[in-house]
Amino acid sequence: GAGVSQSPSNKVTEKGKDVELRCDPISGHTALYWYRQSLGQGLEFLIYFQGNSAPDKSGLPSDRFSAERTGGSVSTLTIQRTQQEDSAVYLCASSLRGEKGYTFGSGTRLTVV
Amino acid sequence: AQKITQTQPGMFVQEKEAVTLDCTYDTSDPSYGLFWYKQPSSGEMIFLIYQGSYDQQNATEGRYSLNFQKARKSANLVISASQLGDSAMYFCAMRANAGGTSYGKLTFGQGTILTVHP
Repeated sequence: GAGVSQSPSNKVTEKGKDVELRCDPISGHTALYWYRQSLGQGLEFLIYFQGNSAPDKSGLPSDRFSAERTGGSVSTLTIQRTQQEDSAVYLCASSLRGEKGYTFGSGTRLTVV
Repeated sequence: AQKITQTQPGMFVQEKEAVTLDCTYDTSDPSYGLFWYKQPSSGEMIFLIYQGSYDQQNATEGRYSLNFQKARKSANLVISASQLGDSAMYFCAMRANAGGTSYGKLTFGQGTILTVHP
């Protein structure tokens, strides 16, 4: 597609439920990144994929968070047993080798009630 | 470890005037890149400008320029001739360029909210 696509755009879930957030990067972009942005805050790095492997997953806050990428394209971020502190906007970005700026999607706003 | 500091939570500027948004950074990596992103109220992150640590000249992109002072570890964004559409949150970010790689996580500052008055 023309840009990075994320779905759903909004998700409200009950505490304790599992959620899956999806990211479709720009076609051909080999690098994919997940970030989290809490209200009024900066972006917190979660995980980075190069192809289907994740050389840097240092930002995942707990073992309730996991992510995978298949076919070097679509990525899914899964949050198990959601907690209220997981409420945030989850942003995905992708890039090409040598590209200076990363292209971000519009994000998924997750609200845990 | 990398750290980005943006000390201005909010800035105001009159339309058509220039404004400088401050950014200081800290890193032990000899090679790194510095970025500025704009986030309008819609939430999307828009890439504005990039400066490599070994670039000899300050980066410019249209009305945006980056005032890079390596010794002071600062990378301030200058927006000339401000427009109403420039009102947004602005983030400074950096990435280590270890081994010449252009991949890797960006570390972001807390952001500065810019408001342009007519």
